[in-house]
Amino acid sequence: DGGITQSPKYLFRKEGQNVTLSCEQNLNHDAMYWYRQDPGQGLRLIYYSQIVNDFQKGDIAEGYSVSREKKESFPLTVTSAQKNPTAFYLCASSITGGDHTYEQYFGPGTRLTVT
Amino acid sequence: KNQVEQSPQSLIILEGKNCTLQCNYTVSPFSNLRWYKQDTGRGPVSLTIMTFSENTKSNGRYTATLDADTKQSSLHITASQLSDSASYICVVSAYFSGGYNKLIFGAGTRLAVHP
Repeated sequence: DGGITQSPKYLFRKEGQNVTLSCEQNLNHDAMYWYRQDPGQGLRLIYYSQIVNDFQKGDIAEGYSVSREKKESFPLTVTSAQKNPTAFYLCASSITGGDHTYEQYFGPGTRLTVT
Repeated sequence: KNQVEQSPQSLIILEGKNCTLQCNYTVSPFSNLRWYKQDTGRGPVSLTIMTFSENTKSNGRYTATLDADTKQSSLHITASQLSDSASYICVVSAYFSGGYNKLIFGAGTRLAVHP
């Protein structure tokens, strides 16, 4: 899990409520990412940020929002507009630029259950 | 369409035996191929990264191969241990201008090592 922390590990919410997942890194990485993992499927990119105060939509951004006010932090909000929010959410970070073989380091994940 | 397919979906082997996991991809433009190990309920951890010019890379008992012509990769695990029980994810990176690598994830092979 390196220097990336995600909290909480388990999260339970009622349908219709917004919920924010925390992701913090102390690796001094510029880039941060949010992925969603569902059983039997590969990870899918929700949002990514290559620099503070800038972020881009990934493949499945609908119903999610993010902010990047600090280099170390990239919180993800799952809004009530997300039709199927129950999943395992993974945050990752990496350096950017020059060497395109740079590693993405993943956090331990947050399992969100919405009922 | 950029895709990564892994086989088998699941595998059971006895402790001490070897096994090989397969990955086929249709990703362009290809940047690099990675294998990750993911323990249940945890974030993925990198095992190897290979660029176009590399056809084999080892990390302890793990050896990855890459055939860029046929767009196939394999992960060979030697003398398996109980701690090898995990999901193994093949990830292919497509390079886009601006320094951003888009990662395309396979669904993973779930390996169970039994005593």
